[in-house]
Amino acid sequence: DVKVTQSSRYLVKRTGEKVFLECVQDMDHENMFWYRQDPGLGLRLIYFSYDVKMKEKGDIPEGYSVSREKKERFSLILESASTNQTSMYLCATSPGGDSNQPQHFGDGTRLSIL
Amino acid sequence: AQKITQTQPGMFVQEKEAVTLDCTYDTSDQSYGLFWYKQPSSGEMIFLIYQGSYDEQNATEGRYSLNFQKARKSANLVISASQLGDSAMYFCAMREGPYSGAGSYQLTFGKGTKLSVIP
Repeated sequence: DVKVTQSSRYLVKRTGEKVFLECVQDMDHENMFWYRQDPGLGLRLIYFSYDVKMKEKGDIPEGYSVSREKKERFSLILESASTNQTSMYLCATSPGGDSNQPQHFGDGTRLSIL
Repeated sequence: AQKITQTQPGMFVQEKEAVTLDCTYDTSDQSYGLFWYKQPSSGEMIFLIYQGSYDEQNATEGRYSLNFQKARKSANLVISASQLGDSAMYFCAMREGPYSGAGSYQLTFGKGTKLSVIP
């Protein structure tokens, strides 16, 4: 089974802080994704990466950056956290090659910015 | 325009009955794929079923089936014999474009339908 591990289930930070959300996968998948989920809005893609050191902007990249130095790890960075970034953050992975393979998700991180 | 539309914010179904969750999509690509995910209150996203645009048969996975009507651009999820554990949020998602290449791996999600199963 694919294992996608997000570093924290719950996180509370203050406005202006630099926040790191970590995601680690154990299935050697090429693709990794960061989403945020807000009530009534579904999941929205922030960034994704299809290879080490490669990244692509999703639909809502403003205020975020990402890092992928190793294949198994994909980090989401909030450079200067703001209250409107309070949300559920979900990491997902999928293999390269056949894009019909489903994405596998971590358990999510509920981030509160005070 | 929204690419994925789920028109039912919430639905109720009696235990052991079947239920259909609606999903319509908008794309000009010939090649695309449709996914359904379940999210229980605990938060994890669980993949349920997949339908490719070129698949001639409707996808089935156990109690889940996908009613795929290409001309209507709809991909409704049917859950047969509902169970209490089926109570969750359900999301429809779409992949567009060719089967390979960086852009083809992105999914666009709908806003979800909250299903409640009544004993």
